[in-house]
Amino acid sequence: DVKVTQSSRYLVKRTGEKVFLECVQDMDHENMFWYRQDPGLGLRLIYFSYDVKMKEKGDIPEGYSVSREKKERFSLILESASTNQTSMYLCASSFGGSSQPYTDTQYFGPGTRLTVL
Amino acid sequence: GENVEQHPSTLSVQEGDSAVIKCTYSDSASNYFPWYKQELGKRPQLIIDIRSNVGEKKDQRIAVTLNKTAKHFSLHITETQPEDSAVYFCAAIGYSTLTFGKGTMLLVSP
Repeated sequence: DVKVTQSSRYLVKRTGEKVFLECVQDMDHENMFWYRQDPGLGLRLIYFSYDVKMKEKGDIPEGYSVSREKKERFSLILESASTNQTSMYLCASSFGGSSQPYTDTQYFGPGTRLTVL
Repeated sequence: GENVEQHPSTLSVQEGDSAVIKCTYSDSASNYFPWYKQELGKRPQLIIDIRSNVGEKKDQRIAVTLNKTAKHFSLHITETQPEDSAVYFCAAIGYSTLTFGKGTMLLVSP
């Protein structure tokens, strides 16, 4: 059974702080994703990683960076948090090894609800 | 890039009725169409998917249809039950794009 965990369920930070959100998967998946979920906007991809140290920008990468030093761990970094980054952040992973990396089933973590004051 | 429109945004049905959620996509290169269900306070989970070489796929009470010519696909839930109440997301995926619809909140009343 695939397990994707995120470091916090709820997080409150102040404007300008550096914020780290961590995601860990235990199924040796190649691909990992970070999304943000906002009411009425659905799921929007921030960044995608298909291998250690490899990353691709998604639709809304501005204000975010990522780090993948180990296969099982994918971190989302807000260099200087702003109030418009208040959101639910969802991590996901998928098996990988496909010529079309997005077409593998994605398994989501429980989400981190971040509030920036 | 890809644009996915999902309708309706909210759908209320009586238990036992059928529910249909429709999505349209813009990129003709999209070839994989998953549907995710997200119950309140829980993570999204894949419930069914379809690839572009197939027109219809069924799994018990859930079915998905795909019309590549018209670039639309639909989720059909028959004999709805209260536990079907959730937000449903469609997505259209190609090699280099991954786009979700904005979601449909399905409410099934007993």
